[in-house]
Amino acid sequence: QKEVEQNSGPLSVPEGAIASLNCTYSDRGSQSFFWYRQYSGKSPELIMSIYSNGDQEDGRFTAQLNKASQYVSLLIRDSQPSDSATYLCAASFITQGGSEKLVFGKGTKLTVNP
Amino acid sequence: ETGVTQTPRHLVMGMTNKKSLKCEQHLGHNAMYWYKQSAKKPLELMFVYSLEERVENNSVPSRFSPECPNSSHLFLHLHTLQPEDSALYLCASSLMGPATNEKLFFGSGTQLSVL
Repeated sequence: QKEVEQNSGPLSVPEGAIASLNCTYSDRGSQSFFWYRQYSGKSPELIMSIYSNGDQEDGRFTAQLNKASQYVSLLIRDSQPSDSATYLCAASFITQGGSEKLVFGKGTKLTVNP
Repeated sequence: ETGVTQTPRHLVMGMTNKKSLKCEQHLGHNAMYWYKQSAKKPLELMFVYSLEERVENNSVPSRFSPECPNSSHLFLHLHTLQPEDSALYLCASSLMGPATNEKLFFGSGTQLSVL
């Protein structure tokens, strides 16, 4: 069973701090990793993708990938109350039939306190 | 607005009812998906259609029946559901199909309650 594990939280940080969200995945063959943000009552939206070891930065967001440790993280610098949401980690897997699919974690709820 | 529209937003149905969820995408994408999101569980992929052909069926009970008449429309027909089927049902689309670098665009979802 392919799995993506996340700490469900809630994670609470003060405004302006760095929020660190972590994720591990079970399939060493996974090649692509994604972070989706889901506001309460809304649908998920993609905020970061990462495919190779190291860091991928986009504004205040940095995704980090370590394939040897099967570990993905998302750092949010200068956290704002508007960043309060549930963050879903997803990893790609190859099915037995040869197709590719995304498997999501349960999500980490982040609260940024003003 | 993601370009993926789902109706209805909320649905309450009895276990003997038959209802359908509708999804429409205005992005010119070729692949469409149904996901189920339950409280405290990961998003679960139910069905994938690529160019109107079903390419994935994740052992979903037969009381859920998908239909994809064209690349812009996707339906999920529901009949004789169980209370444990209560969840948020999300439709998504992507440009080409299930692939490692494909971004998913999600609709707002249908919150389903089965009484």
